[in-house]
Amino acid sequence: DSGVTQTPKHLITATGQRVTLRCSPRSGDLSVYWYQQSLDQGLQFLIHYYNGEERAKGNILERFSAQQFPDLHSELNLSSLELGDSALYFCASSVWRDTQYFGPGTRLTVL
Amino acid sequence: QQQVKQSPQSLIVQKGGISIINCAYENTAFDYFPWYQQFPGKGPALLIAIRPDVSEKKEGRFTISFNKSAKQFSLHIMDSQPGDSATYFCAASKPGAAGNKLTFGGGTRVLVKP
Repeated sequence: DSGVTQTPKHLITATGQRVTLRCSPRSGDLSVYWYQQSLDQGLQFLIHYYNGEERAKGNILERFSAQQFPDLHSELNLSSLELGDSALYFCASSVWRDTQYFGPGTRLTVL
Repeated sequence: QQQVKQSPQSLIVQKGGISIINCAYENTAFDYFPWYQQFPGKGPALLIAIRPDVSEKKEGRFTISFNKSAKQFSLHIMDSQPGDSATYFCAASKPGAAGNKLTFGGGTRVLVKP
């Protein structure tokens, strides 16, 4: 157990819908990273927050957004969902530039 | 642009054998190279990591070899066990104000046969 929690574990929704994925980092970790894992694209960095501030963006679609709250948990919002958004979404946390600890992931299925 | 290339995509090794996975990177600014192990249905877990000032790092049965001039690094799993059957990812990151985003290789699925 990495200490990073993600909810929900599975999510099944329809195209055009909006969903919110939640991540709670390890106690004391100020950084939260979001990654998408799909069969064709592998593990791709989406976005990084540090202590509530956005620090870096990767291959994140404009339909996707994220935020980190004062209690350091983070949410990834995915809207206008398409079939191609079906993937595993992981969050990882770290103190700053050291080891990233990954959560168990949320499996999103868009039908 | 794939900045970290990993090979092979899959490999089968007999119990007790050596598994070798290779990665090559393009960006010379990378300064941190971790390896992650992922079991089906689980998140990636850090296995071992190395920085460019070291050519080799060993932790138990896992060894990273690093060749800075060739921009390559590899993972050796000695005395492979069936419990090592998993997907392994190499990754790299570079310093900067943006933190430590990881650029991953494509992954290698390892199957250890008993």
